[in-house]
Amino acid sequence: QVQLQESGPGLVKPSETLSLTCTVSGGSISGSYWAWIRQPPGKGLECIGYIYHSGSTKYNPSLKSRVTISLDTSKNQFSLNLSSVTAADTATYYCARHERYSHYDWFDPWGQGILVTVSS
Amino acid sequence: SSELTQDPVVSVALGQTVTISCQGDRLRTFLASWYQQKAGQAPVLVIYGNNYRPSGIPDRFSGSNSGNTASLTITGAQAEDEADYYCFCRDISDNPVVFGGGTKVTVL
Repeated sequence: QVQLQESGPGLVKPSETLSLTCTVSGGSISGSYWAWIRQPPGKGLECIGYIYHSGSTKYNPSLKSRVTISLDTSKNQFSLNLSSVTAADTATYYCARHERYSHYDWFDPWGQGILVTVSS
Repeated sequence: SSELTQDPVVSVALGQTVTISCQGDRLRTFLASWYQQKAGQAPVLVIYGNNYRPSGIPDRFSGSNSGNTASLTITGAQAEDEADYYCFCRDISDNPVVFGGGTKVTVL
């Protein structure tokens, strides 16, 4: 079965770039859609962006100017870069497979999540 | 509104039935998926599409959709069902968006 694992630094300084990688095991990253989702401490879930197997992307409009999601099929990984971070970007970041059908979507499975704190 | 609205807190007696609702205009066009998140854990998909349950999810979980409302029902709630539940639905523009605000289910 497909499993996902996030990796990256747990502490990022304000104004710097947050960089995370999601490694997919138990299946190929090709032929599927993938997503990054975050959850600030004590708050709800927010989709950051999607990347399709073709490499095309969609980003949350509120984050679009700062977000880049990319795919590395050779390593079976996809990555998130979020630039110019502030304390408001402190959150647990999850990667997930994004499944789509004609008029519904779902996210399954999810990685375990990684807490990223923005602080000097 | 493009938002999805959920009741913040719901309680249910052990063994009884509870229904969680999710309201939003885009639910008139797209179907919801539902996620269970226990304290300190990643969300887990429990319902998607027309009441489909992933493998391993107990059949006491069911979903329905009507008009601008999606519902998740737990029939015969168990202590282990105590968690936060989030709904999600595709945005009309297909942009990544926020989930519903979440419902904390307490089993008494």
